[in-house]
Amino acid sequence: DMKVTQMPRYLIKRMGENVLLECGQDMSHETMYWYRQDPGLGLQLIYISYDVDSNSEGDIPKGYRVSRKKREHFSLILDSAKTNQTSVYFCASSQGGEQYFGPGTRLTVL
Amino acid sequence: QQQVRQSPQSLTVWEGETAILNCSYEDSTFDYFPWYWQFPRESPALLIAIRPVSNKKEDGRFTIFFNKREKKLSLHITDSQPGDSATYFCPFNSGGSNAKLTFGKGTKLSVKS
Repeated sequence: DMKVTQMPRYLIKRMGENVLLECGQDMSHETMYWYRQDPGLGLQLIYISYDVDSNSEGDIPKGYRVSRKKREHFSLILDSAKTNQTSVYFCASSQGGEQYFGPGTRLTVL
Repeated sequence: QQQVRQSPQSLTVWEGETAILNCSYEDSTFDYFPWYWQFPRESPALLIAIRPVSNKKEDGRFTIFFNKREKKLSLHITDSQPGDSATYFCPFNSGGSNAKLTFGKGTKLSVKS
């Protein structure tokens, strides 16, 4: 059963703290993504990774960085989180055009 | 940045009616048009997709109609059920196996019983 996992599912941080969101997939997909979703704004692409250490900015990369050291694992890092980064973050992986989404991480930055 | 426009922003139909969701795009070069749906507090998932070699794709109660000349797609949901209540997205797809999807705001469908 193809699966994308995300940890943690819920996270509360204070402004200025560092945040690490983890994503894993068991499908050996080369391409992985990080999105954020805010009410009424759909999904916005933060970063895309084409394979290990092959990452590219998406549409809203400012304030974020990523790390992909293994094909099955893709991390999103917020250095010094800001309150406007409060959002739901989705990770996805793809093969042949279809994207498979993880369950999401609900991040609150106070 | 490529634009995808969806209409209406929200739609309410009664159980058993046909819901019609619309999508228009600018770029005519890409070759894969997926529709995703997202239930409240869940993640998006692929519902149905079409390639421009055909102008219609059917999967049960869900049908995509594709008009290449007008750069428009529509998703028809026949015999709508309350369980179809979700937000529907037709993201712009950059094509290829490493597809970049650009999502619009979607159409929020409510099916009342």
